[in-house]
Amino acid sequence: QKEVEQDPGPLSVPEGAIVSLNCTYSNSAFQYFMWYRQYSRKGPELLMYTYSSGNKEDGRFTAQVDKSSKYISLFIRDSQPSDSATYLCAMSASGNNRLAFGKGNQVVVIP
Amino acid sequence: SAVISQKPSRDICQRGTSLTIQCQVDSQVTMMFWYRQQPGQSLTLIATANQGSEATYESGFVIDKFPISRPNLTFSTLTVSNMSPEDSSIYLCSVEDLDSNEQFFGPGTRLTVL
Repeated sequence: QKEVEQDPGPLSVPEGAIVSLNCTYSNSAFQYFMWYRQYSRKGPELLMYTYSSGNKEDGRFTAQVDKSSKYISLFIRDSQPSDSATYLCAMSASGNNRLAFGKGNQVVVIP
Repeated sequence: SAVISQKPSRDICQRGTSLTIQCQVDSQVTMMFWYRQQPGQSLTLIATANQGSEATYESGFVIDKFPISRPNLTFSTLTVSNMSPEDSSIYLCSVEDLDSNEQFFGPGTRLTVL
């Protein structure tokens, strides 16, 4: 079983829709959870960073962590064409700066 | 967040040759990391480079293939040695903000080996 599972299937949504992305993981030691956004031919850009379980909101973005289910989510409200990118989930354990990544989800927001 | 640059941004190389990738940060950082991003695969950590000590390699990666230098707190290099087409990938460096534990990435080096 991979440490982090993320369905890489491309996701196309109309502009203004809610985008829902998720990852599951197997390592119960993971405490820090991140979402990165990666535009084509660019490096990953840190979007959301959360510690342990709970929700975090930043503008149109909401990150949710459910440690009991080993499941994290990212929601993008009122999606824009500029949100078209690949979204990578990542996580790490306390005291360990090695990030474990999902494969990434390609999102296309259609005007 | 730190501003990170990488050189070259891309290269096409012949098998059997070596390529050195440079990573420059605009501020002093303790921890620098090198990742590989292969098509359809997860970002994978190659090694962690701390200034003044030997790099720490992850399982499946060895120093002879991926030698790393870390001469100061703002710079690191990764060399991909004796390249084969399987080394075609994007190579990324990242740094960690010790206050927030957040990691930030450079723009990447896109390597194609023929």
